[in-house]
Amino acid sequence: DIQMTQSPSTLSASVGDRVTITCRASQSISSWLAWYQQKPGKAPKVLIYKASTLESGVPSRFSGSGSGTEFTLTISSLQPDDFATYYCQHYHSSSTFGQGTKVEIK
Amino acid sequence: EVQLVESGGGLVQPGGSLRLSCAASGFTFSNYGMNWVRQTPGKGLEWVSIISGSGGTKFYADSVKGRFTISRDNSGNTLYLQMNSLGAEDTALYYCARQGPGSGWYFDYWGQGTLVTVSS
Repeated sequence: DIQMTQSPSTLSASVGDRVTITCRASQSISSWLAWYQQKPGKAPKVLIYKASTLESGVPSRFSGSGSGTEFTLTISSLQPDDFATYYCQHYHSSSTFGQGTKVEIK
Repeated sequence: EVQLVESGGGLVQPGGSLRLSCAASGFTFSNYGMNWVRQTPGKGLEWVSIISGSGGTKFYADSVKGRFTISRDNSGNTLYLQMNSLGAEDTALYYCARQGPGSGWYFDYWGQGTLVTVSS
């Protein structure tokens, strides 16, 4: 099974900061990667799919990059609504999620 | 508006069975693959199963293969998950999720989840 490892597990940041979260796959997954945001008590919400495609309606401050085994989610200027937990997901004939990165207020 | 509403969760004894349902609305149900994804505080998010729009293709996570069965009723716009031989490790919040357009199993809409607790 493909393992997905996110770093860091927790990230403390301030409004306006540029934030980067990394996701590494245990083997190449091409660009079959999605990023989700989850807030307490809510279902995950897709932000990015196919590594870098922004889901409709998602603010442009979110961006994704990478291919193969290393991927990043970047928030260009952190907004109050962005404090949440973020997950990466590999998908293609199977699926595995990363363990999550909690973005908290510094 | 796309809506997915899960039901059927509850408390069940180890070794027992449960059937989850997910009522879909706001889109042409038969045109989309559908999934079950579960979440626990300890193990995080875990994809469980996927079924194609026609229902002819199904895949399962190794952790549930042989115990869980995914199915769908396209005339009634409902997704199901039959869970047998339940163990404590199956305790989780179960979400149904729609497969995003195009290829790949990312999930563009999720329900609110239904809680399954396996305990004696």
